[in-house]
Amino acid sequence: EPEVTQTPSHQVTQMGQEVILRCVPISNHLYFYWYRQILGQKVEFLVSFYNNEISEKSEIFDDQFSVERPDGSNFTLKIRSTKLEDSAMYFCASSALRVETQYFGPGTRLLVL
Amino acid sequence: DQQVKQNSPSLSVQEGRISILNCDYTNSMFDYFLWYKKYPAEGPTFLISISSIKDKNEDGRFTVFLNKSAKHLSLHIVPSQPGDSAVYFCAATSLISGTYKYIFGTGTRLKVLA
Repeated sequence: EPEVTQTPSHQVTQMGQEVILRCVPISNHLYFYWYRQILGQKVEFLVSFYNNEISEKSEIFDDQFSVERPDGSNFTLKIRSTKLEDSAMYFCASSALRVETQYFGPGTRLLVL
Repeated sequence: DQQVKQNSPSLSVQEGRISILNCDYTNSMFDYFLWYKKYPAEGPTFLISISSIKDKNEDGRFTVFLNKSAKHLSLHIVPSQPGDSAVYFCAATSLISGTYKYIFGTGTRLKVLA
C-alpha cells in the first residue's frame, strides 16, 4: 500500500540554524501538507501546497518557514532560523484531491537546543 | 481555539466489548469529519470519515455516527481488540469553504484490556 515517507525521523539542531525536513508524498497525489504537533498539544495545520504554490497557510507559518517541491517526488519544509519553540513533531500529508482524505507520514521529531 | 474537542483524554475497555470515542465541534461550517489512529512514534493513520450529508458510516469494526444538531460525532469499535490500543484523533474540515486544513481534537488514548 502506498504511503507517505519522511526523513529524517529525528533531527537535533542548535537554535538559529536552518533545517530542512523532507517528505515523499504518495505518488499520484497532487495536494501536499505540513502539520506539527508540539509535545502534549494538538496536531496543527501549517501549510498546504498545490500546483507548485502555497494554497493556504496558518498564522504559525511565518517568514521563517518555506516549502518547496524541488523535483517530482520530494516535498520539503525549511525552517530558516530555528527557535526553541519550533521543537515538535512535524508531519507531512498528501491527498489525491483537496476534497479527499489526507494521508500522513510517520513524522520528523525536531529538537531545537 | 477549541473548535474540535475530545473531552475524554483516556478510555479503557475490555477486549471484545464496544469502545465509544466522542468528539464535539463548534464550527457549523464543518462538513467533513475524520477519525485517525496514532501509535507512539508514528503518524496519524486514517480510519474512517463521514460527510455531513450522512449520519452514519461503517467500515468493518468501525462505525462513525454524526449528530449535526448536537455538533457531535462518535466512533464505535466493535469488538475491541488489544491492537486497537492507540490515541484516536477526531478531525474536521469545511470542504465547502475551500479550506485545505484539518482541525484536530486533542485525542483520546484508548486502552483495550486483554
